Amino acid sequence: DQQVKQNSPSLSVQEGRISILNCDYTNSMFDYFLWYKKYPAEGPTFLISISSIKDKNEDGRFTVFLNKSAKHLSLHIVPSQPGDSAVYFCAASPNSGGSNYKLTFGKGTLLTVNP
Amino acid sequence: DADVTQTPRNRITKTGKRIMLECSQTKGHDRMYWYRQDPGLGLRLIYYSFDVKDINKGEISDGYSVSRQAQAKFSLSLESAIPNQTALYFCATSDFQGTGANVLTFGAGSRLTVL
Repeated sequence: DQQVKQNSPSLSVQEGRISILNCDYTNSMFDYFLWYKKYPAEGPTFLISISSIKDKNEDGRFTVFLNKSAKHLSLHIVPSQPGDSAVYFCAASPNSGGSNYKLTFGKGTLLTVNP
Repeated sequence: DADVTQTPRNRITKTGKRIMLECSQTKGHDRMYWYRQDPGLGLRLIYYSFDVKDINKGEISDGYSVSRQAQAKFSLSLESAIPNQTALYFCATSDFQGTGANVLTFGAGSRLTVL
């Protein structure tokens, strides 16, 4: 049972345009959501997170939106740059039950930003 | 130097061999994790450790064992490697204190191939 789903394996956008990466989840106990970026031959690096008490969090060119009723979050990158080309993982964790350390990851979306 | 260092970065071995993947960190974090990534799949948790004396199984621990030699060192062993353990392995650390988002810092990964 895949609790965190990234249904688009890949996405291609033009430099300067907006990139929108989507993530859906099924576990209503998830309270924190994180995005990681991964370049080839490197480990994932933390990008941005959002708490379930918020619907938006912004950090420079990166904004994450959370729609709890739809169990959906999205990462917006504006403007997209070629250096943003990477695999993006969505991850989620609960905030209770003693397992709030545990992150559940999606399968990832490969973003390609074309010059 | 990297905050989280994994050795070896690449390893090819044969079925039945014992393999150890090592991880060391300079972050000073108490919590350390081993994840596995397979093509087209997200990261799955193998083992985690909250401190030197606290080691726990993750969702896919069968066929693996770990040792937390010190706060900074956490090794993963495959006692008798099999081909379906061919994967990319990541070590991660965090200073998560029980609330908020659990932000992991990952190593660069160890690619293991079992023939």
